[in-house]
Amino acid sequence: AQSVTQPDIHITVSEGASLELRCNYSYGATPYLFWYVQSPGQGLQLLLKYFSGDTLVQGIKGFEAEFKRSQSSFNLRKPSVHWSDAAEYFCAVGGFTGGGNKLTFGTGTQLKVEL
Amino acid sequence: AAGVIQSPRHLIKEKRETATLKCYPIPRHDTVYWYQQGPGQDPQFLISFYEKMQSDKGSIPDRFSAQQFSDYHSELNMSSLELGDSALYFCASSFSGHNYEQYFGPGTRLTVT
Repeated sequence: AQSVTQPDIHITVSEGASLELRCNYSYGATPYLFWYVQSPGQGLQLLLKYFSGDTLVQGIKGFEAEFKRSQSSFNLRKPSVHWSDAAEYFCAVGGFTGGGNKLTFGTGTQLKVEL
Repeated sequence: AAGVIQSPRHLIKEKRETATLKCYPIPRHDTVYWYQQGPGQDPQFLISFYEKMQSDKGSIPDRFSAQQFSDYHSELNMSSLELGDSALYFCASSFSGHNYEQYFGPGTRLTVT
């Protein structure tokens, strides 16, 4: 069964500082990996995705993530955080399971940005 | 660009009542997914449909049922509601030719009292 671990429940960074959110996955084949962001009471917005090819993927809002197969990781990074980045971030793994492409989410990382 | 539409956005029901949530996928998307997100929890997959047929099933209670109609919209029917059903219910849609990307709607917040 596929699973995702986000070891950091809460992270606080200062505005302008760099950010790295960790994500480890478990999946039997080549995974499809995603990062979503959710503001309070809002829906899930896709930040970026990895299917194959270049292991460093660029997303919206200046985010990037690197797929490392050897470490089963897909960490999200941003060089300089803005106050508007405060939100909850979910890493997710998807893959065909014989009938669909359901996403399995991690438990999320709540990002707080200090001004 | 058109997004996934969910209605209603908020719903308050009493225990043992029924509720129907609706989802209108992005035009030309043929696959719909339902997820449940409890307070402080991550979204959990409930069920999905491709071309009006159930394609996958997750942790959906037997009290819930869903279907996808000929116009590709989907409805999640919930009966004998319990307090624990209070959650944010998301619908997502994708195109089978690009089945990896799921686009989420804003969610329906269901409160059971």
